[in-house]
Amino acid sequence: KQEVTQIPAALSVPEGENLVLNCSFTDSAIYNLQWFRQDPGKGLTSLLLIQSSQREQTSGRLNASLDKSSGRSTLYIAASQPGDSATYLCAVRDNDYKLSFGAGTTVTVRA
Amino acid sequence: KAGVTQTPRYLIKTRGQQVTLSCSPISGHRSVSWYQQTPGQGLQFLFEYFSETQRNKGNFPGRFSGRQFSNSRSEMNVSTLELGDSALYLCASNSPLEEQYFGPGTRLTVT
Repeated sequence: KQEVTQIPAALSVPEGENLVLNCSFTDSAIYNLQWFRQDPGKGLTSLLLIQSSQREQTSGRLNASLDKSSGRSTLYIAASQPGDSATYLCAVRDNDYKLSFGAGTTVTVRA
Repeated sequence: KAGVTQTPRYLIKTRGQQVTLSCSPISGHRSVSWYQQTPGQGLQFLFEYFSETQRNKGNFPGRFSGRQFSNSRSEMNVSTLELGDSALYLCASNSPLEEQYFGPGTRLTVT
């Protein structure tokens, strides 16, 4: 059974600092991994999708890496802004299409 | 391209009643996933449908059921509602690359 862990559960940084969010998973036989952000009471917004064959994906200030052998993905957010404050979740889709979500990391960017 | 639509957005029901929630995926997407999100349990996978067939199922009691229609629209039904069913119910539309796009959710309150 795939288990997805996100540490830390919460993070507070001053504006301008780079953010590093971690996601680890127990079974490396994955189909893809996706990062989301969620604002309070809202749905999830897709940030980046990394296919199993890829090592990283980039979009603007966001960069996500994937290391299947070690069961890890890292989301980097450069030059954080107060608008980046949200909960960030990673989701792993296995080769049998089953989905597992981490509990999320709640980020606060202080102005 | 229109996003994922969920109706209704808010719902208040009484214990013992049943409820039906609806989800219209992004045009061209043939797969829909359902999730329950609560403060205590986080995001929990309910079930996933692909071309009208249930592809995966989470660990929820039989009171929770779903279906998908030929136009890819999906419904989920919860019978004999309990107080613990109060949650945000999220639907995700899955692209051919298995990337998930979430709707805004239905907030269900059971009194």
